[in-house]
Amino acid sequence: AQRVTQPEKLLSVFKGAPVELKCNYSYSGSPELFWYVQYSRQRLQLLLRHISRESIKGFTADLNKGETSFHLKKPFAQEEDSAMYYCALGGQGFSFIFGKGTRLLVKP
Amino acid sequence: DGGITQSPKYLFRKEGQNVTLSCEQNLNHDAMYWYRQDPGQGLRLIYYSQIVNDFQKGDIAEGYSVSREKKESFPLTVTSAQKNPTAFYLCASSRQWGNYGYTFGSGTRLTVV
Repeated sequence: AQRVTQPEKLLSVFKGAPVELKCNYSYSGSPELFWYVQYSRQRLQLLLRHISRESIKGFTADLNKGETSFHLKKPFAQEEDSAMYYCALGGQGFSFIFGKGTRLLVKP
Repeated sequence: DGGITQSPKYLFRKEGQNVTLSCEQNLNHDAMYWYRQDPGQGLRLIYYSQIVNDFQKGDIAEGYSVSREKKESFPLTVTSAQKNPTAFYLCASSRQWGNYGYTFGSGTRLTVV
């Protein structure tokens, strides 16, 4: 069965520190992985998708099929990065599966 | 201004009542989805619709019903059979089912009083 695991409910870092939000998935087929972000009082929005291999707001994520991971990274966290982050898995024949989310808190 | 609109933003329901949450999109998307968001639970799929007049159960469909009579609209009814309806409900759409360019609505918070 398909599954997405985000092991941390809360990640707290200081401004300027590196950030890594972990995401592991379980899927035997060819996965499509995404990161979504939800800022306070705003709607859920797409941050990254693995096939685009781009950097958005300084965040990057690399799909590691060997480790079945898609960790989200940023070298220097900003206070405005504080939000809820969801990893999502797509594939053949099913709708998105979301992880339980990680709340990132960036302290001044 | 294209997008997806959910209404109302806040909804209060008495025990034993059915309530309907509205979701409308003007993006010309074929596929629409309803998710339930609970703290610590992430987003769980309730129902989805790949095309007009068709819909499928998601992971937690019990106590919910939907209709898809128009491409633009995908209302969700929370019935009295739903044991724990207090939650935040998110509607989303995508150009096609299996296309993961989801656009999300701003959500409806339902509270049972």
